[in-house]
Amino acid sequence: QQQVKQSPQSLIVQKGGISIINCAYENTAFDYFPWYQQFPGKGPALLIAIRPDVSEKKEGRFTISFNKSAKQFSLHIMDSQPGDSATYFCAASRGSNYKLTFGKGTLLTVNP
Amino acid sequence: KAGVTQTPRYLIKTRGQQVTLSCSPISGHRSVSWYQQTPGQGLQFLFEYFSETQRNKGNFPGRFSGRQFSNSRSEMNVSTLELGDSALYLCASSSISSGANVLTFGAGSRLTVL
Repeated sequence: QQQVKQSPQSLIVQKGGISIINCAYENTAFDYFPWYQQFPGKGPALLIAIRPDVSEKKEGRFTISFNKSAKQFSLHIMDSQPGDSATYFCAASRGSNYKLTFGKGTLLTVNP
Repeated sequence: KAGVTQTPRYLIKTRGQQVTLSCSPISGHRSVSWYQQTPGQGLQFLFEYFSETQRNKGNFPGRFSGRQFSNSRSEMNVSTLELGDSALYLCASSSISSGANVLTFGAGSRLTVL
């Protein structure tokens, strides 16, 4: 049972464009929703995270939008750059449980 | 501050063998988690240790085991290796002060089973 569904699997965006990656979750007990960025040969690194008491969080060019009623959240990358080319994973967890349930990832390619 | 260190980075084993992977967390981090990453299944939770105690376990067979030492270093072991165990094994550490669920991952140990 896949508890966090992520789309699209891959995404190609032109430099300067907006990249949008979507995730949907099933478990309403989840209360922490991070996004991780992974470059080839590296482990995932925390990019930005949100809790369900807010509908949006912005950090620089990266924004999470959260829709609690729809059980969906998305990552927006504004002014996408070639250096943003990586695999992005959404995830979810509940309470103080350190276990993260990950989406299957989105390979983002930003063309110069 | 040194990051999460995993050794070895790459290893090749044959079916039926066993393997032990090591993880040194960030200094001061007492929670260590392990994840398996494969192209087909993505990132899947294996187990999490805190102060030498396994607090959480994922849905993996008993061939996968782990432990944590008093200095927070952790090891995971896979016995009777199968071809499907080929994967990137990621270790992550966390501390209460950094915020619950905030995981810092190592670069992983790439296991190939022939």
